[in-house]
Amino acid sequence: EAGVVQSPRYKIIEKKQPVAFWCNPISGHNTLYWYRQNLGQGPELLIRYENEEAVDDSQLPKDRFSAERLKGVDSTLKIQPAELGDSAVYLCASSRGSANTGELFFGEGSRLTVL
Amino acid sequence: SQQGEEDPQALSIQEGENATMNCSYKTSINNLQWYRQNSGRGLVHLILIRSNEREKHSGRLRVTLDTSKKSSSLLITASRAADTASYFCASNPNTNAGKSTFGDGTTLTVKP
Repeated sequence: EAGVVQSPRYKIIEKKQPVAFWCNPISGHNTLYWYRQNLGQGPELLIRYENEEAVDDSQLPKDRFSAERLKGVDSTLKIQPAELGDSAVYLCASSRGSANTGELFFGEGSRLTVL
Repeated sequence: SQQGEEDPQALSIQEGENATMNCSYKTSINNLQWYRQNSGRGLVHLILIRSNEREKHSGRLRVTLDTSKKSSSLLITASRAADTASYFCASNPNTNAGKSTFGDGTTLTVKP
């Protein structure tokens, strides 16, 4: 079984530029998460999807961040325009149900550097 | 804004020794999970303990949960150099099902 696939693994951009990250979850996993992980810290939830519906986006900075999960499978996370403080690793995770029922499966992450 | 905190932030031991990491959280939970993250990689699930459980074992891992103190501990016995990684606890509150909240982790270094 293939794991959670994320791309790109690394991205370097200048501030004010846009950037997009893509995630393909494990087949059959209904729940998809985007986390941001700053250096030396734990992951912080940005948005959680149940199928196509964003059920928790309270931590997503909506002025510059957007996400979508069309057809309830792949998802993209976009930042426009990027700021210096957005430099971090963006992790995608999926689970068969909610985290109350089991583990999260993480991708390798997309490391963003904003210059 | 993180719900959990790990202690210590960093731990360095010799191969063969045991490593203990602690986690505290703030609200009532449905379950608590421990994850491992090697440098530059994603997180890998280690073990899940439910709120009605007090102890759980998986291989060389032992997890305890004390809901009265809102704390958990992860014990790795007979550590190996390959156990070198960061370890995170993730608490899943009753009030927001499915929202795993991670602490800032313990960085474990096991010297050969």
